[in-house]
Amino acid sequence: DAMVIQNPRYQVTQFGKPVTLSCSQTLNHNVMYWYQQKSSQAPKLLFHYYDKDFNNEADTPDNFQSRRPNTSFCFLDIRSPGLGDAAMYLCATNEGRNSYNEQFFGPGTRLTVL
Amino acid sequence: DQQVKQNSPSLSVQEGRISILNCDYTNSMFDYFLWYKKYPAEGPTFLISISSIKDKNEDGRFTVFLNKSAKHLSLHIVPSQPGDSAVYFCAARGSARQLTFGSGTQLTVLP
Repeated sequence: DAMVIQNPRYQVTQFGKPVTLSCSQTLNHNVMYWYQQKSSQAPKLLFHYYDKDFNNEADTPDNFQSRRPNTSFCFLDIRSPGLGDAAMYLCATNEGRNSYNEQFFGPGTRLTVL
Repeated sequence: DQQVKQNSPSLSVQEGRISILNCDYTNSMFDYFLWYKKYPAEGPTFLISISSIKDKNEDGRFTVFLNKSAKHLSLHIVPSQPGDSAVYFCAARGSARQLTFGSGTQLTVLP
């Protein structure tokens, strides 16, 4: 089945220790998104790629970076995690050609910062 | 500033009855609206959508209503089933390819 995969599902890191979250997709979609979701809040868009074009949200902290080495993979790098970065991180994809198409989500990675 | 609001964090409904989940938005530029369902330990999955040029879209037990003048949409589930128990997010499309989400409503369908 075509899908969006996120690894790991649970990640524990220490305050200030860099961490990388991974997302892969078998849908061959052009667009990949990273969202941050804190408890009982709306998923908040951090950035997205349309093919290789990177689009950062204006209020995304510089501490958050992303890489998309190919169509299938996208990474979220948190350079110096703080306690406030503990959250669920959701990856999503969209076909892109027809922007009405819905986004397809992975199961998320829950990040804990000690 | 929340552009998409789901003011009810939770809703409980008896099995077989109607569930009505509500969503309000402030941005009149939103032109497409979606509902997602999320089970614990899973990512959100698409449920149903509606374009701003329509006022109703139906898919089986699920119907979405859009009132543009009131900037309000609602999701009706009839009849509700225990398997419908999940968090429901509404989302709105503004600029191309980007969605703005509400904070979700936890629906519990009681057997």
